[in-house]
Amino acid sequence: GDSVTQMEGPVTLSEEAFLTINCTYTATGYPSLFWYVQYPGEGLQLLLKATKADDKGSNKGFEATYRKETTSFHLEKGSVQVSDSAVYFCALSSNRDDKIIFGKGTRLHILP
Amino acid sequence: NAGVTQTPKFRILKIGQSMTLQCAQDMNHNYMYWYRQDPGMGLKLIYYSVGAGITDKGEVPNGYNVSRSTTEDFPLRLELAAPSQTSVYFCASLHRGEQYFGPGTRLTVT
Repeated sequence: GDSVTQMEGPVTLSEEAFLTINCTYTATGYPSLFWYVQYPGEGLQLLLKATKADDKGSNKGFEATYRKETTSFHLEKGSVQVSDSAVYFCALSSNRDDKIIFGKGTRLHILP
Repeated sequence: NAGVTQTPKFRILKIGQSMTLQCAQDMNHNYMYWYRQDPGMGLKLIYYSVGAGITDKGEVPNGYNVSRSTTEDFPLRLELAAPSQTSVYFCASLHRGEQYFGPGTRLTVT
């Protein structure tokens, strides 16, 4: 079945460092891909999405490109801030059914 | 729009007690979901619904029940609370492939 694998955390970086959180997926067909962010004590919220191959989703300085050839959707940010500390979830939506498949989440700590 | 709302925010139950977690959305979304998130873990799907009157089991349905009498409401029922049900519960809706989450209910069973 469909699945999402993302790098295990926690990831600890200094402020202004470059961030990459890896995400790969397995799916039949052409899923939509998402990154959700969960700040402490809150629910998940959509960070960015891409609906077809080679699309780039971007928001708040974060970017991710839908790479069908490598089945990847890695999250990147050029210069992280302390306020980016959160848990990040990669997810896919198969067009075949009604469920979103989430990765296990990656906790990010940014040190001042 | 208030989006997806959940009540209560916190609850402590004794083993064997029952309770209902409330979830409502005002976006007229057909698809709704209940997840649980254990400490340091990802989300596990409990139940979901594709419309009023239709519900289906997710990955971890045992110990829970749901109903969907209206498009707006999707309550989750715990009949006999167990310590293994200590978790944070999130309700969500789905529209055009994007999931909208409520703020969560933190439940402790002791």
